[in-house]
Amino acid sequence: QSVLTQPPSVSGAPRQRVTISCSGSSSNIGNNAVNWYQQLPGKPPKLLIYYDYLLPSGVSGRFSGSKSGTSASLAISGLQSDDEADYYCATWDGSLNGLVFGGGTKLTVL
Amino acid sequence: QVQLVESGGGLVKPGGSLRLSCEASGFTFSDYYMSWIRQAPGKGLEWVSYISDSGHVIYYADSVKGRFTISRDNGKNSLSLLMRSLRAEDTAVYYCARDDGKAAADTHFDHWGQGTLVTVSS
Repeated sequence: QSVLTQPPSVSGAPRQRVTISCSGSSSNIGNNAVNWYQQLPGKPPKLLIYYDYLLPSGVSGRFSGSKSGTSASLAISGLQSDDEADYYCATWDGSLNGLVFGGGTKLTVL
Repeated sequence: QVQLVESGGGLVKPGGSLRLSCEASGFTFSDYYMSWIRQAPGKGLEWVSYISDSGHVIYYADSVKGRFTISRDNGKNSLSLLMRSLRAEDTAVYYCARDDGKAAADTHFDHWGQGTLVTVSS
């Protein structure tokens, strides 16, 4: 059972917009920066969003992040087939004194 | 370009030990915090351990505390993870990752290695 809660799966048609939620608490999301990672099949994870909403160099502007209170969201617009991947949220947890990941969300492009 | 190359994985019996290494290149290793993250087969990501740039600040996940030891050699651009008292549930791909943050609360991994598989089985 992950400290951060994500939906196991989401899906969308090409060119549509999908969002992935990440729910936590005041000891993690509520007081620390949220980061998002994309993991394509058979590959190591890739940083997608950091400090809640910033994009690393080279990441498409179709990805965006937001946070409100103890929840965060990742939005992907203009869905493409190569967006099919697992997506993970992560943040520091001050009570656990450790980094926590969400359980991951599998995105399927229909 | 930034490269992180893990090594040392393999098959080990329950209760055994293993040392993983991560060789870093393409950046000033001593400027960055580093972490180990693992992923059990077909499962999600689990953070394992974190070490500051100087090596003075270290954190462990509760699941490995007292059994795993993280260390670094800034002169050799190398990160290590010594794993003792291994259990079946430690079976996973272990990734080393560069942390672009400058404090625990800022932790975010901007570069990852390809991972090394550790299998704990009799």
